Amino acid sequence: DMKVTQMPRYLIKRMGENVLLECGQDMSHETMYWYRQDPGLGLQLIYISYDVDSNSEGDIPKGYRVSRKKREHFSLILDSAKTNQTSVYFCASIQNTLYFGAGTRLSVL
Amino acid sequence: QQKVQQSPESLTVSEGAMASLNCTFSDGTSNNFRWYRQHSAKGLEVLVSIFSDGEKEEGRFTAHLNRANLHVSLHIREPQPSDSAVYLCAVSMPNTGKLTFGDGTVLTVKP
Repeated sequence: DMKVTQMPRYLIKRMGENVLLECGQDMSHETMYWYRQDPGLGLQLIYISYDVDSNSEGDIPKGYRVSRKKREHFSLILDSAKTNQTSVYFCASIQNTLYFGAGTRLSVL
Repeated sequence: QQKVQQSPESLTVSEGAMASLNCTFSDGTSNNFRWYRQHSAKGLEVLVSIFSDGEKEEGRFTAHLNRANLHVSLHIREPQPSDSAVYLCAVSMPNTGKLTFGDGTVLTVKP
């Protein structure tokens, strides 16, 4: 069963704390994405990864960085989280078909 | 930068009546078009993918692509109340693999 798994599903952090969102896929897909989804703004692309250590900025990369040391894992890192980074974050992987994780709901207080 | 716009923002139809959703994109080199739906901030469910001009049917969902008009549509045949969700159009670029989403259409199907 092909799957994209995101951890954690829910997270509450204080402003200034570091945040790590993790994503795993079991399909050996090369290309993976991180998106955030906010009401009225739809899904906005944060970063794309084409393979291990091959990452590219999306449309809204500021305040985020990513890490892809294994093809199966793609992490999104917020160094010193801000309140405007409160959002739902989706990870996805693609090979013809795009597979989405269930999302991580992050609240930064 | 690719712009993807969906219309209408919201749509209410009666059960059994055809529902039609529209999506326009700005970059004519876009090569891959997908429709997704999302129930209440849950994950996204792919409905249909289309790569060439014309029509692609997946069950009750049919996508129409007209690349010259920068337009892709989704038609839902015999919609049911369980089809009530947000429908998202996604357009990808050939070289970067960048996938851009529209803001979505909120579909409500009334019994």
